[in-house]
Amino acid sequence: DTEVTQTPKHLVMGMTNKKSLKCEQHMGHRAMYWYKQKAKKPPELMFVYSYEKLSINESVPSRFSPECPNSSLLNLHLHALQPEDSALYLCASSQDTPRAQYFGPGTRLTVL
Amino acid sequence: EDQVTQSPEALRLQEGESSSLNCSYTVSGLRGLFWYRQDPGKGPEFLFTLYSAGEEKEKERLKATLTKKESFLHITAPKPEDSATYLCAVQAGPSNTGKLIFGQGTTLQVKP
Repeated sequence: DTEVTQTPKHLVMGMTNKKSLKCEQHMGHRAMYWYKQKAKKPPELMFVYSYEKLSINESVPSRFSPECPNSSLLNLHLHALQPEDSALYLCASSQDTPRAQYFGPGTRLTVL
Repeated sequence: EDQVTQSPEALRLQEGESSSLNCSYTVSGLRGLFWYRQDPGKGPEFLFTLYSAGEEKEKERLKATLTKKESFLHITAPKPEDSATYLCAVQAGPSNTGKLIFGQGTTLQVKP
């Protein structure tokens, strides 16, 4: 089973809202990732968690706050977003950091 | 600076017309090259990992090859359901950070 699940599938929020994106995998993977993807562009890495510790933050604005409660779950907390943050947010996981990454279906985020 | 370039940007084929997609890379210390397929509005689907020059991987109508400077994704007798964007990504550098450097993708359209 190579499934990564993400909820919600779609999210519309105002600039003053607080919301969270959730990601789950049950493959025993020890690395998890958040990506942002704009239309007709490749995914852009935001954060990497390795063994439940944040190992990479690609200079992401503080209005995005990641959390890894355990080895199967990854959250992305959103606060005071801007319209330009509207995008497809992808979660991925891998057995370890040098291995192939498996992506979830994504959350389509619209910021009004 | 590490760089990944995919060509062509777009490719239109007739059903059954075989062709190849190219991914050229300039990186210091290749750790792995990955091919993904992405359908509109969905997360990338993992296809292949290649680690060293000369390596080849096959899956149904797809075959990926790797040299020291580039990778090819050969599509034999494509069908309309092979229509998608194909992404190439590399991991490189002195440490296993998990960071993928993506190319811009090749959008393939296969007409019946």
